[in-house]
Amino acid sequence: EDKVVQSPLSLVVHEGDTVTLNCSYEVTNFRSLLWYKQEKKAPTFLFMLTSSGIEKKSGRLSSILDKKELSSILNITATQTGDSAIYLCAVHTGANSKLTFGKGITLSVRP
Amino acid sequence: NAGVMQNPRHLVRRRGQEARLRCSPMKGHSHVYWYRQLPEEGLKFMVYLQKENIIDESGMPKERFSAEFPKEGPSILRIQQVVRGDSAAYFCASSYYRDSDEQYFGPGTRLTVT
Repeated sequence: EDKVVQSPLSLVVHEGDTVTLNCSYEVTNFRSLLWYKQEKKAPTFLFMLTSSGIEKKSGRLSSILDKKELSSILNITATQTGDSAIYLCAVHTGANSKLTFGKGITLSVRP
Repeated sequence: NAGVMQNPRHLVRRRGQEARLRCSPMKGHSHVYWYRQLPEEGLKFMVYLQKENIIDESGMPKERFSAEFPKEGPSILRIQQVVRGDSAAYFCASSYYRDSDEQYFGPGTRLTVT
């Protein structure tokens, strides 16, 4: 059975800190890994990483895929209170169309 | 450019009643996915539909749950004879292409069974 594990489960930091969120996976037919940010509404798409695109950056957020270690990290620098959310990692396999999600990491950024 | 729409946002049902959850995909998208999020759990895939077709229902409970995506109108997830364990947030996502990696999510419907 495909499995995605995220760590830590929750994290509390202060504004300005840098955080690293982890995601590891065990799946058959890996195709891509996706990061989403979930506040009190729809999960919003952040990044997609594939074999041909293992590093992505957007502003203060960046993500790297390590296919050898079957893992990914999401980095947030100079955190702001608006970064407080649940960060979801999901893996898409080539076998079917579903995304397999981890349980999410709850990030709280204190002023 | 409207995103994925879901309604209702909150739904309260008594045990034994039926729940109907609606999802309108993003404009131009013809692929819809339903996920369920239980408390303290990640999103779990339920079903993938195209217009008038169920493509993959491997995550759908065998009884009481059904889904459809008619030629006209929204996709509907139907839960018959709801039980307390059905209380969860139900999210719909849509994509433009079949087997697309990029799925765009709606705001979810929070179902509470009393």
